[in-house]
Amino acid sequence: DAGVTQSPTHLIKTRGQQVTLRCSPKSGHDTVSWYQQALGQGPQFIFQYYEEEERQRGNFPDRFSGHQFPNYSSELNVNALLLGDSALYLCASSLELAGGISHEQYFGPGTRLTVT
Amino acid sequence: QKEVEQDPGPLSVPEGAIVSLNCTYSNSAFQYFMWYRQYSRKGPELLMYTYSSGNKEDGRFTAQVDKSSKYISLFIRDSQPSDSATYLCAMTTSGSARQLTFGSGTQLTVLP
Repeated sequence: DAGVTQSPTHLIKTRGQQVTLRCSPKSGHDTVSWYQQALGQGPQFIFQYYEEEERQRGNFPDRFSGHQFPNYSSELNVNALLLGDSALYLCASSLELAGGISHEQYFGPGTRLTVT
Repeated sequence: QKEVEQDPGPLSVPEGAIVSLNCTYSNSAFQYFMWYRQYSRKGPELLMYTYSSGNKEDGRFTAQVDKSSKYISLFIRDSQPSDSATYLCAMTTSGSARQLTFGSGTQLTVLP
């Protein structure tokens, strides 16, 4: 059973550039959430996608955007990169159950983004 | 003040010790509580998942939730060097809220 996969593993970008990160959810899952984890901190919720729409969003600027495809995979896009965007970006998947979401979110290995 | 507070440690114990990890929170709407383990440069791995108050046991791990005190704990019995990792508590409300709110993590080292 394939778990959550993310690509690329590492990425180095320059301030002002744009980046796209990719995520494939765990087999059978239909909901994807993105988190940012700064060094020494817990993950911070960016947004969640379900049925190809952004369903909930955390306290992140519009420079952060995303997309979910019909096969449930997802992309995270960050525009106009800042030094402070350097972090581990985590994708988590879960399954929407009848009457509400399953709260068990399973995380991928993350993409480590360095902005210079 | 953060919604979820967690002692960052680091915490160092000898092999075989009982480890106690804790989080406090301020949002009384939190209903679902999780513990994740994160090895260095890896993604968080779900260890325990509990709903509302009470205890849940899984092997060497026991999760406790005390909603009246807004306090959750994870106990690790017979700790092993392979348990050395950062432990993150996470929680979420019921209903339409779906985002996980994490503590900052406690770094644990189990010495052989």
